Amino acid sequence: GQQVMQIPQYQHVQEGEDFTTYCNSSTTLSNIQWYKQRPGGHPVFLIQLVKSGEVKKQKRLTFQFGEAKKNSSLHITATQTTDVGTYFCAGQENNDMRFGAGTRLTVKP
Amino acid sequence: DAGVIQSPRHEVTEMGQEVTLRCKPISGHNSLFWYRQTMMRGLELLIYFNNNVPIDDSGMPEDRFSAKMPNASFSTLKIQPSEPRDSAVYFCASSLSAGIWGPTNEKLFFGSGTQLSVL
Repeated sequence: GQQVMQIPQYQHVQEGEDFTTYCNSSTTLSNIQWYKQRPGGHPVFLIQLVKSGEVKKQKRLTFQFGEAKKNSSLHITATQTTDVGTYFCAGQENNDMRFGAGTRLTVKP
Repeated sequence: DAGVIQSPRHEVTEMGQEVTLRCKPISGHNSLFWYRQTMMRGLELLIYFNNNVPIDDSGMPEDRFSAKMPNASFSTLKIQPSEPRDSAVYFCASSLSAGIWGPTNEKLFFGSGTQLSVL
């Protein structure tokens, strides 16, 4: 079945540094979604990517979907303390959506 | 819109007791999902409903777990009897879904979750 691997598991950065998390699927995805979960909170939808090679930006966040639709990345430029939390990707294939394990980001002021 | 509403927020119970978690999806959403989150296993899909019908319950751990959706505005997840290894955060999520085959391109709206501790 579909497997969604996400790395790294943890990332600690100094405020102002960049951050990237990667998702890789064992199969071709129809779309991929990204969620953010603040400590003690619930996952909140950030964005969805559907097209091969698609790139979307939300302020300091850049999301990419690979050409083969098997991988994706989330890049945060110049992290801020408000970026702390766990970032999850969720890959969908047919009627199966699977979440990656998440990358927990901590930011040192 | 009040969002997805879950109750209780916290539940502490003793092993062997019955636990019932409740969820009210966003009005108009026709898909509902129950997830379990632990440090070891991350976010696991337990079951999802489309138009109140259970579509896939392959993620339900064992017979001790059951879920119902008697109408479009209410769902329950029941654990009977509960065990310490069931301790986790249980999330309910809802979405608009165009078809009966499960998650589509629609984003999920999560509730605040129920923190379950089984002693």
